[in-house]
Amino acid sequence: DTEVTQTPKHLVMGMTNKKSLKCEQHMGHRAMYWYKQKAKKPPELMFVYSYEKLSINESVPSRFSPECPNSSLLNLHLHALQPEDSALYLCASSLMGTDTQYFGPGTRLTVL
Amino acid sequence: QKEVEQNSGPLSVPEGAIASLNCTYSDRGSQSFFWYRQYSGKSPELIMFIYSNGDKEDGRFTAQLNKASQYVSLLIRDSQPSDSATYLCAVKPAGGTSYGKLTFGQGTILTVHP
Repeated sequence: DTEVTQTPKHLVMGMTNKKSLKCEQHMGHRAMYWYKQKAKKPPELMFVYSYEKLSINESVPSRFSPECPNSSLLNLHLHALQPEDSALYLCASSLMGTDTQYFGPGTRLTVL
Repeated sequence: QKEVEQNSGPLSVPEGAIASLNCTYSDRGSQSFFWYRQYSGKSPELIMFIYSNGDKEDGRFTAQLNKASQYVSLLIRDSQPSDSATYLCAVKPAGGTSYGKLTFGQGTILTVHP
């Protein structure tokens, strides 16, 4: 089973809203990732968690706040986003010691 | 120079033909190489990974890696219209500080026409 789940599938929010994206996996993967993907572009890495600790932050604006409450769950808290933040947000996970990442279905975010 | 380069296409092949997708990378110490398929509006789906020089086959897919020439390719035999998608090449660079980071190419759009 190589399933990563993400909720919600779609999200529309205003620039003053606070919302959260959720990602879950039960494969025992201890590395989890957030990516942002704009149309016709490759995924762009935002954050990496390993063993529930933030190990990579790709200079992402503070209006994006990641959280890893446990080894199966990854959240991305959103606040005061801009319309240019509209994109497909992808979660991925991998087994520690391997580089093979499995992506979830993504959350399509629209910021009005 | 881009770190991972792919021909953006679109690459158009007839049904039943072999589709050949190519990817070159600049970091000679790169360790791991991946091919993802992405349908329009969907997330990337892992098709193949390869670590060692040579060929790796899985069903209709064959990944080929040549580290000396710094290229990796994906062959799709007996192409089907359902193979029409964007194919992303991803490379794990060398070095411990790059842990968890894959470098993606821009993707090649493949169209298989009946």
